[in-house]
Amino acid sequence: EAGVTQFPSHSVIEKGQTVTLRCDPISGHDNLYWYRRVMGKEIKFLLHFVKESKQDESGMPNNRFLAERTGGTYSTLKVQPAELEDSGVYFCASSQDLAGAQYFGAGTRLSVL
Amino acid sequence: AQSVTQPDIHITVSEGASLELRCNYSYGATPYLFWYVQSPGQGLQLLLKYFSGDTLVQGIKGFEAEFKRSQSSFNLRKPSVHWSDAAEYFCAVGSLMNSGYSTLTFGKGTMLLVSP
Repeated sequence: EAGVTQFPSHSVIEKGQTVTLRCDPISGHDNLYWYRRVMGKEIKFLLHFVKESKQDESGMPNNRFLAERTGGTYSTLKVQPAELEDSGVYFCASSQDLAGAQYFGAGTRLSVL
Repeated sequence: AQSVTQPDIHITVSEGASLELRCNYSYGATPYLFWYVQSPGQGLQLLLKYFSGDTLVQGIKGFEAEFKRSQSSFNLRKPSVHWSDAAEYFCAVGSLMNSGYSTLTFGKGTMLLVSP
């Protein structure tokens, strides 16, 4: 069974540009989460989808971040326009049950120059 | 709000020696506790989890962790470390909300170095 996959693995963009990250959860997992780790800091929660609905987006830093989950399958996280402080590793995770263990992807390393 | 403390940023252990990574949490109710490992170039891999029941939890790769409510701790142990265990280890607490879902709060991670 395929795990959580994220694309791209690494993205380098200039300040002011737009970047879209993609996450494909484990098949059958209704719950999808986005997390972010800024250098030197903890991994922090961004938002949670149940199927196609946003359950909690309290961790989203600001309105430059937009997450979608079309049809309850894969999810995208768009940053527009990107700022220097958005640099970090963005992780996606999925789980089958609401309180179940979350399985993580390899992450997307975003570098904003 | 819940929090997780991993007091050791780096730990160096000789190959074959025993290992204990410390984790303390702050959470009002019974926590869901997890240990994840991230090897270089890899994603976060779940090592083990504690939801309820037996406080000594066995995980993959020979790891175990013990939940101690009185000390608010969930330390990770391994009796004999292998060079392939060199990685960054994260402790996390899951919070069960009224709506039934759980988000994870992570510690800052402990980088394990294994010396020959």
